[in-house]
Amino acid sequence: DGGITQSPKYLFRKEGQNVTLSCEQNLNHDAMYWYRQDPGQGLRLIYYSQIVNDFQKGDIAEGYSVSREKKESFPLTVTSAQKNPTAFYLCASRISLGNEQFFGPGTRLTVL
Amino acid sequence: DQQVKQNSPSLSVQEGRISILNCDYTNSMFDYFLWYKKYPAEGPTFLISISSIKDKNEDGRFTVFLNKSAKHLSLHIVPSQPGDSAVYFCAANSGGTSYGKLTFGQGTILTVHP
Repeated sequence: DGGITQSPKYLFRKEGQNVTLSCEQNLNHDAMYWYRQDPGQGLRLIYYSQIVNDFQKGDIAEGYSVSREKKESFPLTVTSAQKNPTAFYLCASRISLGNEQFFGPGTRLTVL
Repeated sequence: DQQVKQNSPSLSVQEGRISILNCDYTNSMFDYFLWYKKYPAEGPTFLISISSIKDKNEDGRFTVFLNKSAKHLSLHIVPSQPGDSAVYFCAANSGGTSYGKLTFGQGTILTVHP
């Protein structure tokens, strides 16, 4: 079954700790994206990667970091510099010449 | 500056009737538009899309209309079913160096009553 997996579904961390969210896809898509969703708001782009070993900041990259060492994987690290890290995080991927993005199930991060 | 806006936070419709969800945009560089459906605590799923060279696209119960001069698009669901109850997001894509980046609206919560 092809798709995008995000783990874990729920994640709790203490304030001041860095945390890494996993995103894996077996769709053979080149582009991958990270969004966050807050209540009453749309999806806001954090980082994206069009190709392996390359990534760009989205609209709200401050306090986050990413890597793209493999085509299938695009982990997101939420650092202690992110002021409001509690949110629902969504990973997506897209085939090179397509417009549609396919989303994973999301990770709910709660910082205590 | 919000480039894609869904001005209705919620919409309530009776089963069997038409649901119309609206979306406005400001960036004239947007050339492709998509609608996604999202259930709580799940990722969005793609519903239907439309290129800026068209003014209508239909897929079963779902039809998207695009009015470029008004920078407005709408999603029609006919007939509405209780299973359609979800949050609906419109999204827009522009070409060039921003190709593939989607800008999302805030979402509209659709509730279909039996």
